[in-house]
Amino acid sequence: QITLRESGPTLVKPTQNVTLTCTFSGFSLITSGVAVGWIRQPPGKALEWLALIYWDGEKRYSPSLKSRVTVTRGNSKHQVVLTMTNVKPVDTATYYCAYRHFGEFDFWGQGILVTVSS
Amino acid sequence: QSVLTQPPSASGTPGQRVIISCSGSSSNIGSNPVSWYQQLPGTAPKLLIYRDDLRPSGVPDRFSGSRSGTSASLAISGLQSEDEADYFCATWDDSLNGLFGGGTKLTVL
Repeated sequence: QITLRESGPTLVKPTQNVTLTCTFSGFSLITSGVAVGWIRQPPGKALEWLALIYWDGEKRYSPSLKSRVTVTRGNSKHQVVLTMTNVKPVDTATYYCAYRHFGEFDFWGQGILVTVSS
Repeated sequence: QSVLTQPPSASGTPGQRVIISCSGSSSNIGSNPVSWYQQLPGTAPKLLIYRDDLRPSGVPDRFSGSRSGTSASLAISGLQSEDEADYFCATWDDSLNGLFGGGTKLTVL
């Protein structure tokens, strides 16, 4: 049974950096073909793909956020970390992590609402 | 502004068939499979259709998908009240960047 859960701060000030952690179970990020992605959704708006980290360490980033977003494996082998620098109010959104084996996100975490406000 | 274009809203009465479109280009839908996600109010998205027309275990066969050229479609037949949700299409571009549609809010009248 695959599960994912996002954790991190829910209120961040503009210009700060935010680090979100995705803790997962039911799969291994060293299994060939597996990836973990990050997707966000501003309140009332569409989904936006942010980043992806593959089982072999390869990483992909949204071109529009590439300069501010980094995805890494966490300290635990069942964690992936997303770091976003210099956050702005427009970064206010629910952030999801999701499991991908082929081309689609099969399982999603419940999401974490991150509000950027002074 | 999403690269994949969906109608912002759709509606139907119980029992009807509704089709939601997703329009892209040759560098995304034209060359990569499409998936669809259902997002019920206040919940995380759930995979509904993958690789254009395949349904994960547990998804009713009332839901079907197709892809042709640079467009894809999600059809829901025998519409039910619990189908009221937001629906998003998704694919990848030729640079392997993820793309989502703007979403379609389905209302069951």
